[in-house]
Amino acid sequence: DGGITQSPKYLFRKEGQNVTLSCEQNLNHDAMYWYRQDPGQGLRLIYYSQIVNDFQKGDIAEGYSVSREKKESFPLTVTSAQKNPTAFYLCASSPPGGWGQETQYFGPGTRLLVL
Amino acid sequence: QKEVEQDPGPLSVPEGAIVSLNCTYSNSAFQYFMWYRQYSRKGPELLMYTYSSGNKEDGRFTAQVDKSSKYISLFIRDSQPSDSATYLCAMGGATNKLIFGTGTLLAVQP
Repeated sequence: DGGITQSPKYLFRKEGQNVTLSCEQNLNHDAMYWYRQDPGQGLRLIYYSQIVNDFQKGDIAEGYSVSREKKESFPLTVTSAQKNPTAFYLCASSPPGGWGQETQYFGPGTRLLVL
Repeated sequence: QKEVEQDPGPLSVPEGAIVSLNCTYSNSAFQYFMWYRQYSRKGPELLMYTYSSGNKEDGRFTAQVDKSSKYISLFIRDSQPSDSATYLCAMGGATNKLIFGTGTLLAVQP
């Protein structure tokens, strides 16, 4: 089955710790995205990547970092500089350009909690 | 003013009712309009996709786009308890970035 997987489902972070959220897709999509979802605020874009070895900051990139070494993988690191990391993190991907380029498909999400 | 406005609800309806969910937007450059359904603690699922103005129907779901009024709607006919979820509108323009509404929480009572 094609799809997007995220792991872990739940993640606990201690003060001052960096943690990495995994996102993998086997849809052969070029573009991948990371969003943060907080109650009442909708989805906010953290980082996105349209091609391997290239990525751009979204609207709330501070305190986060990403890499895109493989087409299938787009891990997100929440660094100790992110002072309010508790949220639901969603990874998405979208197919190559043309009609449907804007369509994004989401993974199941990772809930990050601070201890 | 936010680029996309969506009534957060919650909206509670009896089973079998017609549901109307709406979003307004301010950026006339938006060309793509989507509705996502998100069950509690799950990722959003693409429900409807519309390009430019007009209507699109898929089973019990109808999406409408009125670009002149900058207004989009999702109608659910014969609503079922399984339709209980948060519905997110999303819009895109010239780039691959989508702008999302904050979501409307819908509860369909059996």
